[in-house]
Amino acid sequence: KQEVTQIPAALSVPEGENLVLNCSFTDSAIYNLQWFRQDPGKGLTSLLLIQSSQREQTSGRLNASLDKSSGRSTLYIAASQPGDSATYLCAVRGNAGNMLTFGGGTRLMVKP
Amino acid sequence: DAGVIQSPRHEVTEMGQEVTLRCKPISGHDYLFWYRQTMMRGLELLIYFNNNVPIDDSGMPEDRFSAKMPNASFSTLKIQPSEPRDSAVYFCASSFSGGRAREKLFFGSGTQLSVL
Repeated sequence: KQEVTQIPAALSVPEGENLVLNCSFTDSAIYNLQWFRQDPGKGLTSLLLIQSSQREQTSGRLNASLDKSSGRSTLYIAASQPGDSATYLCAVRGNAGNMLTFGGGTRLMVKP
Repeated sequence: DAGVIQSPRHEVTEMGQEVTLRCKPISGHDYLFWYRQTMMRGLELLIYFNNNVPIDDSGMPEDRFSAKMPNASFSTLKIQPSEPRDSAVYFCASSFSGGRAREKLFFGSGTQLSVL
């Protein structure tokens, strides 16, 4: 059974800092991996999707990398801003079916 | 498009009552998912549909839970009878298996359910 872990559970940084969020998964036979953002009381917003054949995806100040063989993904946020404060979740889709397994999330706070 | 629309946003009910949660997916999407989120267990997939057909309901906790998708634009998740341990945020999400945004998952704002 796939297990997805995100460490740390919470992170606080000063504005302007570059930061890395980590995601690890136990079964490397994945179809794709997504990073989501969740604001308090809201649903999840998909930020980046990496197919299993890709190594990274970029969108603005966000860059997500995937190392399937080691079961790891990172989300890099450049020049963090207070508006980046949210919970970030990663989720992996296995090769069978269309089901995502979510990590527990990293709660990020960017202080002005 | 207005995105995935869920109703109600909040539901407070008493133990033993029937609860019905509603979802309208994004037009044209062929997959619909129901998730439950709690502090203890995080996000759990309950059931998902492809072209209105239930594909995997192994995440449905027990027979008290049922889900239907009578057409491409509407789905319901029903709990009967409800119990306090069902209290959670229930999310509906949809995705499209083709196109540039292939398989990106779009979530609704969720229904906060409290069973007293």
